[in-house]
Amino acid sequence: GAVVSQHPSWVICKSGTSVKIECRSLDFQATTMFWYRQFPKQSLMLMATSNEGSKATYEQGVEKDKFLINHASLTLSTLTVTSAHPEDSSFYICSARDGWTGSAEAFFGQGTRLTVV
Amino acid sequence: QKEVEQDPGPLSVPEGAIVSLNCTYSNSAFQYFMWYRQYSRKGPELLMYTYSSGNKEDGRFTAQVDKSSKYISLFIRDSQPSDSATYLCAMSVIKAAGNKLTFGGGTRVLVKP
Repeated sequence: GAVVSQHPSWVICKSGTSVKIECRSLDFQATTMFWYRQFPKQSLMLMATSNEGSKATYEQGVEKDKFLINHASLTLSTLTVTSAHPEDSSFYICSARDGWTGSAEAFFGQGTRLTVV
Repeated sequence: QKEVEQDPGPLSVPEGAIVSLNCTYSNSAFQYFMWYRQYSRKGPELLMYTYSSGNKEDGRFTAQVDKSSKYISLFIRDSQPSDSATYLCAMSVIKAAGNKLTFGGGTRVLVKP
């Protein structure tokens, strides 16, 4: 299957700083990528849909100014958690679907564990 | 009521047993169905993808879709301790890359040696 690479796999940052998470599709082009947040023992919560070359679409209740998404190319989307606070500590995961083949499967990155201290 | 319902478990089985997982859904527009396996602190890994009613087999895994009953299943034969993970069902209405998936809550499976 297609490969989605997410980096870093874990990060610890101080409260008030910003953290950037990268999501790359390695062997396919992704016009759309999705960003999820997952709390312990819970399912994935969709935060936003990242569209190449245009603004992201945020789910209800997700602060767009806090979670900045940039999708500058067909293989890279970034999520920046701005002015991070301890309550932002969570597991963040990206996914992408191959827009060229039209396949319905979504492939996920390895996830990023963010800890804000 | 959630669009996709999945028993959270945990489901505990002895090694070698068949693991049976299922999801029910309410939106009859769902056409594409996926099963993912997620280990702790890892991203979900795609196991099976189906888009038609009936069975699809891949190694020890069998995915079953019953669109008339709005019910999908995943069976794992000859289960191994390495199959211990959380299993998520996901579905979407259309194939378009921009169409988001709707997930079940996940079932935690524990295969005991």
